[in-house]
Amino acid sequence: GIQVEQSPPDLILQEGANSTLRCNFSDSVNNLQWFHQNPWGQLINLFYIPSGTKQNGRLSATTVATERYSLLYISSSQTTDSGVYFCAVETYSGAGSYQLTFGKGTKLSVIP
Amino acid sequence: DSGVTQTPKHLITATGQRVTLRCSPRSGDLSVYWYQQSLDQGLQFLIHYYNGEERAKGNILERFSAQQFPDLHSELNLSSLELGDSALYFCASSVGRAAYGYTFGSGTRLTVV
Repeated sequence: GIQVEQSPPDLILQEGANSTLRCNFSDSVNNLQWFHQNPWGQLINLFYIPSGTKQNGRLSATTVATERYSLLYISSSQTTDSGVYFCAVETYSGAGSYQLTFGKGTKLSVIP
Repeated sequence: DSGVTQTPKHLITATGQRVTLRCSPRSGDLSVYWYQQSLDQGLQFLIHYYNGEERAKGNILERFSAQQFPDLHSELNLSSLELGDSALYFCASSVGRAAYGYTFGSGTRLTVV
């Protein structure tokens, strides 16, 4: 099956710093999503980004589908950004069904 | 509130027991997906139902089963529980069969002791 690799696995930032998280995938995909899992375990969709660049406040994401990678940028990080960031690629699994294959995540800790 | 409701939020049970996890999708969503998040396996797709019909299976054990009812809520049944089944179980819903616009519930944390 498709492989999804995220880097770095862990990241510690001082509040106010910027960061870039990377997601590489091994095959062509229908779509790609970025999620944030907060310390309470809740999964929040950040971006639905098959290609191109999107921005939402201090977060932005870029996917280069032809080169099979996506980047998530976090600027001016805040302690509330802490948690685990997952990249998930959408693949067709037959019978009109699409599923998400997740990477192992990047654990971000933002310290004051 | 994502609109996807999962109950219970926490569940502690003994090995060998059977439990049922419940998911109510967002209003209007016909698809329900179940995912398992464990420490060793990460987030894995288990099964997908669309409008009451099973559409795809992922890494779901034979001891696990699911169904989607006419009112579109879904239940995931886990039987003969083992310590390794301890995990966070998520349900997600979407409008159609594609994963566009996935919305996850807050999960059920299952602890098998």
